[in-house]
Amino acid sequence: DTAVSQTPKYLVTQMGNDKSIKCEQNLGHDTMYWYKQDSKKFLKIMFSYNNKELIINETVPNRFSPKSPDKAHLNLHINSLELGDSAVYFCASSQGRGEKLFFGSGTQLSVL
Amino acid sequence: GENVEQHPSTLSVQEGDSAVIKCTYSDSASNYFPWYKQELGKRPQLIIDIRSNVGEKKDQRIAVTLNKTAKHFSLHITETQPEDSAVYFCAASKEGSTLGRLYFGRGTQLTVWP
Repeated sequence: DTAVSQTPKYLVTQMGNDKSIKCEQNLGHDTMYWYKQDSKKFLKIMFSYNNKELIINETVPNRFSPKSPDKAHLNLHINSLELGDSAVYFCASSQGRGEKLFFGSGTQLSVL
Repeated sequence: GENVEQHPSTLSVQEGDSAVIKCTYSDSASNYFPWYKQELGKRPQLIIDIRSNVGEKKDQRIAVTLNKTAKHFSLHITETQPEDSAVYFCAASKEGSTLGRLYFGRGTQLTVWP
């Protein structure tokens, strides 16, 4: 009965590969997000979807492509992985825009 | 857009002492100010929040104060315990706005020594 779940928890891959991270929320929230947390712990917003519509795209390289098949799911696909993509990626959801966030457990991505 | 500054970046206290983390924001239209705690290897979790129509809110050992005129808000933890050790993030947003999103501070690593 986890509120926001994301898979996988760990992802270790070679440079140049393509990978996906999946996220699902069962809170009935309208808005979902992807955040990147680097080694200095800064939480940087990447994307936000509201009812399947992209509303925030924060100057993220177009190698990153989010997809929201319905308002309960928001997946992140990354093409041609680079060393600098290594980070923890958090999915999150909120009932409305600018409201309290509920985070998933994170995906530790390591690009070798 | 909004700019949230958070200080200090690291804070060490002795068990039982108080800890204070301060944040400032730039957009006077921001009306929602949550605080998140992130333990090592875990997800950020909301510990307390305050809205702009309230000046102070308390929940057991933690309290948050808001000064709208000065555009700053603070987290106060009293009687700190080792399990309070974590990274704390403040954030600000315009709740309910079509452009609403949380803007986070850069975090404070709090260490409580036994």
